[in-house]
Amino acid sequence: GAVVSQHPSWVICKSGTSVKIECRSLDFQATTMFWYRQFPKQSLMLMATSNEGSKATYEQGVEKDKFLINHASLTLSTLTVTSAHPEDSSFYICSASRLPGNTIYFGEGSWLTVV
Amino acid sequence: GQNIDQPTEMTATEGAIVQINCTYQTSGFNGLFWYQQHAGEAPTFLSYNVLDGLEEKGRFSSFLSRSKGYSYLLLKELQMKDSASYLCAVSPGSGFQKLVFGTGTRLLVSP
Repeated sequence: GAVVSQHPSWVICKSGTSVKIECRSLDFQATTMFWYRQFPKQSLMLMATSNEGSKATYEQGVEKDKFLINHASLTLSTLTVTSAHPEDSSFYICSASRLPGNTIYFGEGSWLTVV
Repeated sequence: GQNIDQPTEMTATEGAIVQINCTYQTSGFNGLFWYQQHAGEAPTFLSYNVLDGLEEKGRFSSFLSRSKGYSYLLLKELQMKDSASYLCAVSPGSGFQKLVFGTGTRLLVSP
């Protein structure tokens, strides 16, 4: 079964509103999680590194005030898309690793459609 | 900067062999991953290479040459269900969990 779970799987929101996506590690603790975005027919682009108990690290070009990341516990990271616009419509996916080891687990992904 | 290149699309016939190439230039290197992704789904792990050479796992094999910044994924005995996108990803060294993905290769397997 899944070891990293995302919720919701899909969400539709109105332009200008905010939407929160959760990423949970189900049976292990993850001090670090990663958030990716994938537009149709494109590859995954790393958005940010979510660090438990501290601020997230954002990749160049990603607006930290628009994509709020909170990693308040060792099993949960949340991504909030604030003031969403249609161009934010995308597939958002998180990942985490169970240490020790080098296996990276991806969540199931969340489809966001902004109308 | 980070640059990972793959062919955009490839086609092959059921039962054949196909090789998907990946070249990379990254700030560091802590391993190269191959993932399979069907449309609308999360990536599925296929292989991990950190040392030069060939790693074989059933119908799938992956090769790495660190000096050349080059890897390939070899798929044998192709099946229709292998039609998917194949993503090459590099861990650039700042914690192996962080991945930089290539452009992805869409593979279409025809009867």
